[in-house]
Amino acid sequence: SQTIHQWPATLVQPVGSPLSLECTVEGTSNPNLYWYRQAAGRGLQLLFYSVGIGQISSEVPQNLSASRPQDRQFILSSKKLLLSDSGFYLCAWSNGGAQVAIYFGEGSWLTVV
Amino acid sequence: GIQVEQSPPDLILQEGANSTLRCNFSDSVNNLQWFHQNPWGQLINLFYIPSGTKQNGRLSATTVATERYSLLYISSSQTTDSGVYFCAVGANFGNEKLTFGTGTRLTIIP
Repeated sequence: SQTIHQWPATLVQPVGSPLSLECTVEGTSNPNLYWYRQAAGRGLQLLFYSVGIGQISSEVPQNLSASRPQDRQFILSSKKLLLSDSGFYLCAWSNGGAQVAIYFGEGSWLTVV
Repeated sequence: GIQVEQSPPDLILQEGANSTLRCNFSDSVNNLQWFHQNPWGQLINLFYIPSGTKQNGRLSATTVATERYSLLYISSSQTTDSGVYFCAVGANFGNEKLTFGTGTRLTIIP
């Protein structure tokens, strides 16, 4: 069966420091991969998605970036964190194609201080 | 883009009660999914249901695409059902442009 893991689970970072969140999927090949952010409140906002290695689509302009160095690895990065980057970050995957469900990782809590 | 509205925003029920959560959307969709976010933040996919009815144990969901709404039914609620329930919709068949509602926070009291 397929599994998705992301880490670290929690981190506290000072303003201006770099960020790297990592996500890996097991048990499938060529998945679509996604990074979402859930800020204070409830809504989930799509940040990036990828349909293949090196293919990244950005949904929201910001100081974050994403990379997909391997088929089942998705990384969310920042060179300099802002206070507004605090939130709950969720990685997700789905099979390519139509009419398929999306599945989320455990999430990473980021607090920028 | 598509607007998604969930109701009620908050719901408090006694254990054993039944509940109905609603998701209204503003345009035609080809993708609709329901999720449960537990108190630890884990987001679990409950149903992929752009149309029709599905059941999984005590949970069932119905989407009436022509009338632009979906309902999630929870029967015989348990404390583990507590959390936030989200619906997410998309005009495309894929997951690239899902729009999430703001959720219904369900609290089940023992």
